[in-house]
Amino acid sequence: AQTVTQSQPEMSVQEAETVTLSCTYDTSESNYYLFWYKQPPSRQMILVIRQEAYKQQNATENRFSVNFQKAAKSFSLKISDSQLGDTAMYFCAFMRGGSNYKLTFGKGTLLTVNP
Amino acid sequence: DAGVTQSPTHLIKTRGQQVTLRCSPKSGHDTVSWYQQALGQGPQFIFQYYEEEERQRGNFPDRFSGHQFPNYSSELNVNALLLGDSALYLCASSPTGLFPPNTEAFFGQGTRLTVV
Repeated sequence: AQTVTQSQPEMSVQEAETVTLSCTYDTSESNYYLFWYKQPPSRQMILVIRQEAYKQQNATENRFSVNFQKAAKSFSLKISDSQLGDTAMYFCAFMRGGSNYKLTFGKGTLLTVNP
Repeated sequence: DAGVTQSPTHLIKTRGQQVTLRCSPKSGHDTVSWYQQALGQGPQFIFQYYEEEERQRGNFPDRFSGHQFPNYSSELNVNALLLGDSALYLCASSPTGLFPPNTEAFFGQGTRLTVV
């Protein structure tokens, strides 16, 4: 079974600054995907960024980027130029390749962006 | 496209009762997955349906059951409700057989179930 651990229950950052959220995972699979999801107060999970395990290059999406360390089983999310709208719960998630989006989530990190 | 829609948005039930939650997937998606998100926790996978059959199941008791209809919509049924079943229930849809980066799973806004 896979496990996903987010060790930071809460974090805060000033607007326009950079913040990094941590995630570690444990798996024996070689084919897998990793995701960061955002859950604002509206409750709807929104995909922020994804990483294919077979890709060495770290994924980036505008202000969001990841640091994927496969050997260390670490997958951190960096948010640059933080905006007030980034305030939300952030979940790290794991998916075994071929499992048709059966996701294993961490417990989440509540990020607050302060003006 | 309305995306993934769930109903109802909120529900209060009494311990021992039965409840049915509903999910309509995003247009073009035929796989529906259900998750339970307890307060302050990450979502936990309950089960997944496609082709009207349960294909994968998480570590949930048989009190949790589901159904998928020919139009791909789905229901989650919970029998003999316990106080511990109080949670946000999320539905996610995806197209069968397509994986990242060619597609992604889309989530609904959830049903908040309170058992009293």
